[in-house]
Amino acid sequence: KNEVEQSPQNLTAQEGEFITINCSYSVGISALHWLQQHPGGGIVSLFMLSSGKKKHGRLIATINIQEKHSSLHITASHPRDSAVYICAVRSGSARQLTFGSGTQLTVLP
Amino acid sequence: NAGVMQNPRHLVRRRGQEARLRCSPMKGHSHVYWYRQLPEEGLKFMVYLQKENIIDESGMPKERFSAEFPKEGPSILRIQQVVRGDSAAYFCASSPPETGGYEQYFGPGTRLTVT
Repeated sequence: KNEVEQSPQNLTAQEGEFITINCSYSVGISALHWLQQHPGGGIVSLFMLSSGKKKHGRLIATINIQEKHSSLHITASHPRDSAVYICAVRSGSARQLTFGSGTQLTVLP
Repeated sequence: NAGVMQNPRHLVRRRGQEARLRCSPMKGHSHVYWYRQLPEEGLKFMVYLQKENIIDESGMPKERFSAEFPKEGPSILRIQQVVRGDSAAYFCASSPPETGGYEQYFGPGTRLTVT
C-alpha cells in the first residue's frame, strides 16, 4: 500500500462544476502539499497545509489530521484548470516529500 | 526574485554517455531536493542537499548517480553511463533555511531522453 493515496485517478467535468480531489495518507505528517502539473510543464505549488483550511481564488484545500485525509476543491471549474493535481506529504522529521500518483483532471467547455 | 532555474530543459543522450543536470535555487535558498518522474509514474524523492553537504540520499540509485551542491554555483545531478531506463523528468526544488524544507519551490524540470 502506498503511503499517499489519491482518488480519483482520472476526473472529467463540465465547465462550471464543483470538483473534489481526495488524498489519504498512512503516516504521521508535518505538512501536506497540493501541486499542479500541466502537460509538458513544470510543477506549481498550490497549497501547503499542516491543519485546517486554506483558500486561494477558486481553490480550497482542507486537511483533517485525525483522519489523515485532505481534499482539494475547485469551484466554478474552467478548462484551464485541466492538469494533474498531486498530493504530497512531508512525514515527521523528514525533509523530502512523498507523492501520490496524481489525479488527471479534464474540464470540458 | 527569479524562481528555481533548471537547465537544460531537454537533454538527449546516447546510452553510455554522461548527463549533467543543473539546478539554481531561488535566491537565499540553501536547501535543494531532486525528484524523478519516470514515464507514467509519480514523482519520487532522490536526494536532499544543503550547501556543500548531502543530507539524505536514500532515494538515489546506488550506482551511476551522484549529486552535489557546491558553495558557489548550481546544484548538479550527474548520471554516468546513462541507460534507457534513466529517461525521465528530473525536477529540483529549493527551500529557504528557516522553514526547514516546509516550503518547497519547484523548477520547470529537465526532460532526459536516452536513445
